[in-house]
Amino acid sequence: GIQVEQSPPDLILQEGANSTLRCNFSDSVNNLQWFHQNPWGQLINLFYIPSGTKQNGRLSATTVATERYSLLYISSSQTTDSGVYFCAVEGGGGGNKLTFGTGTQLKVEL
Amino acid sequence: GAVVSQHPSRVICKSGTSVKIECRSLDFQATTMFWYRQFPKQSLMLMATSNEGSKATYEQGVEKDKFLINHASLTLSTLTVTSAHPEDSSFYICSAGTSGYPETQYFGPGTRLLVL
Repeated sequence: GIQVEQSPPDLILQEGANSTLRCNFSDSVNNLQWFHQNPWGQLINLFYIPSGTKQNGRLSATTVATERYSLLYISSSQTTDSGVYFCAVEGGGGGNKLTFGTGTQLKVEL
Repeated sequence: GAVVSQHPSRVICKSGTSVKIECRSLDFQATTMFWYRQFPKQSLMLMATSNEGSKATYEQGVEKDKFLINHASLTLSTLTVTSAHPEDSSFYICSAGTSGYPETQYFGPGTRLLVL
């Protein structure tokens, strides 16, 4: 099956700093989503981005499908950004089945 | 919009008992729901795909007789962990897929199961 690796696995930032999270996948995908899992476990949709670039406030994402990676940018980080960030992909087999990446644990400190 | 609920949020049970977890899409109809399991500090692993009105499709290595899934309506899927054992303790998360484009998944808040 498709492999999804994220880097870095852990990240500590000072409030106000910017960061880039990376997601590499091993095969072509029909769908790629970025999620934020808050400390209580709730997964929140951030982006549906199988290709191209999108922005939503302080967050933006870029997927280069031909090179099999996606980037999530967080600018002016806040303590509420803490949690785990996952990318998830749907491989060519379809069925809307998502394979989750390994995750990036982010902690934003004052 | 696209809200998914789960009940219960937390359950503690004795080894050998069965536990039922409900997943509901509150403001949309979901022909497909998914069940995931997440162990501490790990990623989400897909357990099964639940289709309304038909049998669930289980991922390799997931015992269908242990994890019973019923998708009785377009807004409700249930996961029953039968004869639970301590190794079944985990965070169980459901998601519901929207139809049309884009086909995104929306996730419930999860259920923490602790088997003593």
